[in-house]
Amino acid sequence: DAGVTQSPTHLIKTRGQQVTLRCSPKSGHDTVSWYQQALGQGPQFIFQYYEEEERQRGNFPDRFSGHQFPNYSSELNVNALLLGDSALYLCASSNGMNQPQHFGDGTRLSIL
Amino acid sequence: GENVEQHPSTLSVQEGDSAVIKCTYSDSASNYFPWYKQELGKRPQLIIDIRSNVGEKKDQRIAVTLNKTAKHFSLHITETQPEDSAVYFCAASGASGSARQLTFGSGTQLTVLP
Repeated sequence: DAGVTQSPTHLIKTRGQQVTLRCSPKSGHDTVSWYQQALGQGPQFIFQYYEEEERQRGNFPDRFSGHQFPNYSSELNVNALLLGDSALYLCASSNGMNQPQHFGDGTRLSIL
Repeated sequence: GENVEQHPSTLSVQEGDSAVIKCTYSDSASNYFPWYKQELGKRPQLIIDIRSNVGEKKDQRIAVTLNKTAKHFSLHITETQPEDSAVYFCAASGASGSARQLTFGSGTQLTVLP
């Protein structure tokens, strides 16, 4: 039974570029949430997707956007990258919006 | 919004001793409190969770207690082992509509000394 998978594992970009991160939820899960984890800190909620719609959003600017596909996989897009966007981006999936969330290994994004 | 404070930031215990990590939350509407263990370079792993209609929950050597009145919850690990060494995060969540946003504490680095 495959868990939450994320790609790529590492990514290096320069300021001003845009990036797309991908997430496949655990089998049987239909809800995907995205988090940003800076070094030495706890994850911060970006947004949650269910039934292909953004259901809730954290305190992140519009440069952060997402999408969920009919097969429940999801993408996180970040435009106009800033140095401060360097972080581990975690995807978590759950079986319903109000259920325990299980995390993937994350994508380590470095901005030069 | 919700704010979660976690203490201590670092904790060292001898193998076999108990470890306790405490968290407080600010939003009285929060009703779900998970704990995650994150080893270096690995994903956060859900180890136990509790809902607001329960005061205590146990799973082998791990237990979580919740005091809704005081708005704090704690993780208790008994008979600690070296493999328990990791960063532990508490989180709190209320259900806004049907969506669930987790607000995390800043983490506790637990080191179990052999």
